[in-house]
Amino acid sequence: GEDVEQSLFLSVREGDSSVINCTYTDSSSTYLYWYKQEPGAGLQLLTYIFSNMDMKQDQRLTVLLNKKDKHLSLRIADTQTGDSAIYFCAESMFSGGYNKLIFGAGTRLAVHP
Amino acid sequence: DTAVSQTPKYLVTQMGNDKSIKCEQNLGHDTMYWYKQDSKKFLKIMFSYNNKELIINETVPNRFSPKSPDKAHLNLHINSLELGDSAVYFCASSVTGGKSGELFFGEGSRLTVL
Repeated sequence: GEDVEQSLFLSVREGDSSVINCTYTDSSSTYLYWYKQEPGAGLQLLTYIFSNMDMKQDQRLTVLLNKKDKHLSLRIADTQTGDSAIYFCAESMFSGGYNKLIFGAGTRLAVHP
Repeated sequence: DTAVSQTPKYLVTQMGNDKSIKCEQNLGHDTMYWYKQDSKKFLKIMFSYNNKELIINETVPNRFSPKSPDKAHLNLHINSLELGDSAVYFCASSVTGGKSGELFFGEGSRLTVL
C-alpha cells in the first residue's frame, strides 16, 4: 500500500537541532525526499537521498535512511526561526512506468527563541 | 522567471458552479501533475500527464477533468463544485528519467467553495 507517516508537530528552541522522522511503505522506492512548505507557498525540495545510500549531508541538513526499517529522518543543525515551516517526507513510487511521489502529512516545525 | 505558475492564486465560488485552474511550466519538463492539499495539509496526487497523455488518475470524481493542450500546460476544470472541493491545488512538473525524479511545484491555487 501507499503510506508515508510523519509526526505532525515539532517544537524546538533556536540553536538546537531538529530531527523529523518519517516511515514509508514501498521498499522499492528509488528516491526519498524532504520538501519544505512555508506559509502560503508551494513545496520546495530541500534534499533527497538515493535508496542505496544511508546518509547524506548538505550544510545544516543530514538525512539518514534505514532501508531495513523503512525509516527516514531529517536533522537540521542550529535550527533558526527561518526554518519554521511544514516539512514533508515523500517516497517515489513507479506506476505504469512513471514516477509519482507519495507524501506524508507533513511535520509542522515551530522554532522559538 | 516563475518556473511553474498557476492561475488564479485564489478562487472563491458558490456550490454548483464550474471553475478552472490553469498551470504552465517553462522548465521544458515533459510530465505535469495536479495535487490536492486539504485543510490538514495532507497532499494527495490527483492526475499526471506525460507529453499530453494521461498517465496517472487517482480515483478522482469525474467532475474533475484535466486537460493538457501541450506538454507545458495542464489545466484543471471542476464541474458542479462541492464544499469538499475546498482545498489548495498544486501543479507540479518533472522530467522523465531525470536525475532525482524531483517535482517542481507551483505556489498553489486556494479554492474556497461556499
